[in-house]
Amino acid sequence: EIVLTQSPGTLSLSPGERATLSCRASQSVSNSYLAWYQQKPGQGPRLLFYGASSRATGIPDRFSGSGSGTDFTLTISRLEPEDFVVYYCQQYGSSPLTFGGGTKVEIK
Amino acid sequence: EVQLLESGGGLVQPGGSLRLSCAASGFTFSSYAMSWVRRAPGKGLEWVSTLSGSGDSTFYADSVKGRFTISRDNSKNTLHLQMNSLRAEDTAIYYCAKHQRTNYWYFDLWGRGTLVTVSS
Repeated sequence: EIVLTQSPGTLSLSPGERATLSCRASQSVSNSYLAWYQQKPGQGPRLLFYGASSRATGIPDRFSGSGSGTDFTLTISRLEPEDFVVYYCQQYGSSPLTFGGGTKVEIK
Repeated sequence: EVQLLESGGGLVQPGGSLRLSCAASGFTFSSYAMSWVRRAPGKGLEWVSTLSGSGDSTFYADSVKGRFTISRDNSKNTLHLQMNSLRAEDTAIYYCAKHQRTNYWYFDLWGRGTLVTVSS
């Protein structure tokens, strides 16, 4: 089973700043089959990226995804107030599919 | 409107059973594989089970294999999860999720979830 480690656990930043979230895999993720989700309180997760860098429908371009192999990054170029929530990565290249533990982006 | 709506959660004693449902709308339900994913208190997301669009292929996490059964009724656009022999560690919010593409196990639509609490 591929273990995904997200860091940091909590990221404290101010609106307008740049956020860099990391997702590291215990083994190489085949075909860069990695997705990112955003979850707001009381809601289900929302797909941000699949295939590491393919933006899902309706996702603003201040969000970007990158990486391959074992290291992946979600970047938010300029934080908006609605971006201060929790983010998860998920690999679907190997069975069973697995999720990272999440990164909470909070207002500093 | 494209949406998923879970129901059926609640409080159940250890060893008990519960059946969750997920009502889908706004898309051709039978064309997509569907999954259940859960989030235990204070923890991250955990994949539970997946069912193909036709209903003929099922997949389970080791933690629930032999206790949970996933099914679907394509005539009613509904996904189910029958949970038996429930344990305290099954306590979680359970989400149903739609696969974006066949054979690709990531999810482009999620419900709001239904809370399952296993406690005496």
